[in-house]
Amino acid sequence: EVQLVDSGGGLVQPGGSLRLSCAVSGFTFSTYWMSWVRQAPGKGLEWVADIKQDGSEKYYVDSVKGRFTVSRDNAKNSLFLQMNSLRAEDTAVYYCTRGGDYSWFDPWGQGTLVTVSS
Amino acid sequence: DIQMTQSPSSLSASVGDRVTITCRASQTISSYLNWYQQKPGKAPKLLIYAASSLQSGVPSRFSGSGSGTDFTLTISSLHPEDFATYYCQQSYTTPLTFGGGTKVEIK
Repeated sequence: EVQLVDSGGGLVQPGGSLRLSCAVSGFTFSTYWMSWVRQAPGKGLEWVADIKQDGSEKYYVDSVKGRFTVSRDNAKNSLFLQMNSLRAEDTAVYYCTRGGDYSWFDPWGQGTLVTVSS
Repeated sequence: DIQMTQSPSSLSASVGDRVTITCRASQTISSYLNWYQQKPGKAPKLLIYAASSLQSGVPSRFSGSGSGTDFTLTISSLHPEDFATYYCQQSYTTPLTFGGGTKVEIK
């Protein structure tokens, strides 16, 4: 069974950092683009970042460039999102999902809530 | 950035109704258009990929059409479990972008 399990969310103060993780099983992780998508409370979906199979290409939405870093460990079937200089507007449920450029997002993790507040 | 505009933003319908949701891209995206369904508190679920291909396990009452800039998601006969929010998404170029969503509610 294909499964993505998100973790690492929590409450953090503005300006703080957090590292999200996504543990993957049930498919050959190293052969897929992977992405992070977020959803602010009561709002729509927003793609945040994606990463190529070997990690050689990474793309970000403008609002997180220079603050967030996506990475992966193909040996451990894991995807990561390092989030620095967090702002209130980064408050959202963050989902990891398989897919990226020229493809589609399927399946999705269950999501992990990040709350940025003092 | 490519803007994705969905309409309507919400609709009320009855079980058995035919429902059509449209999605317009601000520039051509060929057939790089996907549709998702999301229920409250749950992760989105892929319904249609590449504009018109039905994802495995998705009921055949869902269908997608279009290419270029104009796309449509159709539910041929609404079932109770179809009341949800639907999003379109372009995968033609980064930043990958979603439509604002269409909430399908019970009339």
